[in-house]
Amino acid sequence: KAGVTQTPRYLIKTRGQQVTLSCSPISGHRSVSWYQQTPGQGLQFLFEYFSETQRNKGNFPGRFSGRQFSNSRSEMNVSTLELGDSALYLCASSLAGPDYSPLHFGNGTRLTVT
Amino acid sequence: KNEVEQSPQNLTAQEGEFITINCSYSVGISALHWLQQHPGGGIVSLFMLSSGKKKHGRLIATINIQEKHSSLHITASHPRDSAVYICAVRGVEYGNKLVFGAGTILRVKS
Repeated sequence: KAGVTQTPRYLIKTRGQQVTLSCSPISGHRSVSWYQQTPGQGLQFLFEYFSETQRNKGNFPGRFSGRQFSNSRSEMNVSTLELGDSALYLCASSLAGPDYSPLHFGNGTRLTVT
Repeated sequence: KNEVEQSPQNLTAQEGEFITINCSYSVGISALHWLQQHPGGGIVSLFMLSSGKKKHGRLIATINIQEKHSSLHITASHPRDSAVYICAVRGVEYGNKLVFGAGTILRVKS
């Protein structure tokens, strides 16, 4: 069974630009969640989607948005990039959500904003 | 103060030693996850717990709901266990969001 696939693996963008990251979950998993990891703040929750509905959102500004498609694939978008958005962005899929089933993480997208 | 406290922050052990990593949280939860992250690598889920104890190979995870505390034990540690171990909790009082500890950096020397 294929694991969670995140694309692209690396991305360099300039301040003010926008970026879209993609996550393909394990087949059959309906829950996808997104996380930001930085050396200073550690891992922080961004969003959780289940069957195309956003179930939860973390404490991030409105520049961070996401969506989930009918095939469970998910995208997150960051608009008007700031230097502080440089981070590793991870997505995880699970069968029924983090309350009920283990998380399977992708390898992440490393975003550098210059 | 972090909502999820892990201890110790750093741990160095000799190969073969028994290792314990602790995680404490402040309010009721619905689930607790133990995760492992190797340098430059992705994150692997080790355990998901809501009560009791789970064992997988040399790894054991326990949770005490009343004391709001969980432990991850590694028996017969090996250098390949060197990684960052992260505890994460989720519950209504955390807004049903996954909240992470800062992680424990484990180094096992041969």
